[in-house]
Amino acid sequence: GAGVSQSPSNKVTEKGKDVELRCDPISGHTALYWYRQSLGQGLEFLIYFQGNSAPDKSGLPSDRFSAERTGGSVSTLTIQRTQQEDSAVYLCASTPRTGYEQYFGPGTRLTVT
Amino acid sequence: DQQVKQNSPSLSVQEGRISILNCDYTNSMFDYFLWYKKYPAEGPTFLISISSIKDKNEDGRFTVFLNKSAKHLSLHIVPSQPGDSAVYFCAASAISPGNEKLTFGTGTRLTIIP
Repeated sequence: GAGVSQSPSNKVTEKGKDVELRCDPISGHTALYWYRQSLGQGLEFLIYFQGNSAPDKSGLPSDRFSAERTGGSVSTLTIQRTQQEDSAVYLCASTPRTGYEQYFGPGTRLTVT
Repeated sequence: DQQVKQNSPSLSVQEGRISILNCDYTNSMFDYFLWYKKYPAEGPTFLISISSIKDKNEDGRFTVFLNKSAKHLSLHIVPSQPGDSAVYFCAASAISPGNEKLTFGTGTRLTIIP
């Protein structure tokens, strides 16, 4: 079946602009995670959604970052007033249940100029 | 505060030999550990995992060892093949509700020399 998909694959934006990144998880997966990988760094947890529970936003680096998950499926990560330090690869993952191996999408490479 | 550490950013191994990748963690609440493999321009793919109730898990050429007292785990690949060249990430999780997110190390770039 189809894996996790993300769009766009690449995004170049000017500092101060808002961006939206999209994630389509594997059908039937109830948990969805957002991570980012900055240059030379490991994957940094941002936010996760599990079913209808309140999302765990503990990894969001600032209030410029927000995410939503509509209908328990597609998720959008929004970064407002982008800064150069937001440049990274943003990865989405889903899993049929929490706490176990996560299936990752190919990522969105965000470059803020 | 890096709770999962991979102290070797890179490793080169001759084809056919054993590759050993190491990972240390500091959070004693972690009870599930995973290894992911990542090729350029792709998302990480799950490789192998181990629960804290075990000290070894084997899957084909890949074996993960867990030493809970030392808070250390390692991934052994034998024999190493050119297709194993990739970045390997160690990750840890706590199964308890509210802590299921994965905490990743910074990765080790493995290069297999033909």
